[in-house]
Amino acid sequence: QSALTQPASVSGSPGQSITISCTGTSSDVGSYNLVSWYQQHPGKAPKLMIYEGSKRPSGVSNRFSGSKSGNTASLTISGLQAEDEADYYCCSYAGSFFDVFGTGTKVTVL
Amino acid sequence: QVQLQESGPGLVKPSETLSLTCTVSGGSISSYYWSWIRQPAGKGLEWIGRIYTSGSTNYNPSLKSRVTMSVDTSKNQFSLKLSSVTAADTAVYYCARDWGRAGFDPWGQGTLVTVSS
Repeated sequence: QSALTQPASVSGSPGQSITISCTGTSSDVGSYNLVSWYQQHPGKAPKLMIYEGSKRPSGVSNRFSGSKSGNTASLTISGLQAEDEADYYCCSYAGSFFDVFGTGTKVTVL
Repeated sequence: QVQLQESGPGLVKPSETLSLTCTVSGGSISSYYWSWIRQPAGKGLEWIGRIYTSGSTNYNPSLKSRVTMSVDTSKNQFSLKLSSVTAADTAVYYCARDWGRAGFDPWGQGTLVTVSS
């Protein structure tokens, strides 16, 4: 099972919106609406930002939103802020009780 | 709120077995799934496997032959054993509550395990 594919880096200016893609296959992202997204600041543990494709845990800003089309899931950050600069990882259920993470994307706020 | 803390040796020799424990505080370990996830330095996350408090497990197929997970509900702990380790197993190891395909939350702070002689 290969890791889901994410762009290595995405950047944007404060206030702008950016979108991070997460491309899998018909065996994982395409088959289930079970993608989660994680934010990881340097030296810190990941933090759950989106689950089940588009749901936000309590306490997560509504500037973060998730969606899916075919085999690709996306995380959109609107109104980009300096504190959003971090690494972001997607994760999808891949069947047979197995989860697979994405390759990770570094978000830079210009 | 629930907090998780990993513990175990920070240095393991090649070919030996890596053993880590995750202690859950602020809530009961019972009736939840719990996962181990690792991250080599500068690289991405890799799901290792999960355990339910009944003891049932699911493992990453790429690690399945070397992984054993267990749970001790009396101590509110669950554990990871990874056998026959090599330098490629050097990573920060995280434990996390697993919402059964609805994400991992919260996570422990992580513990660095280095495989070296």
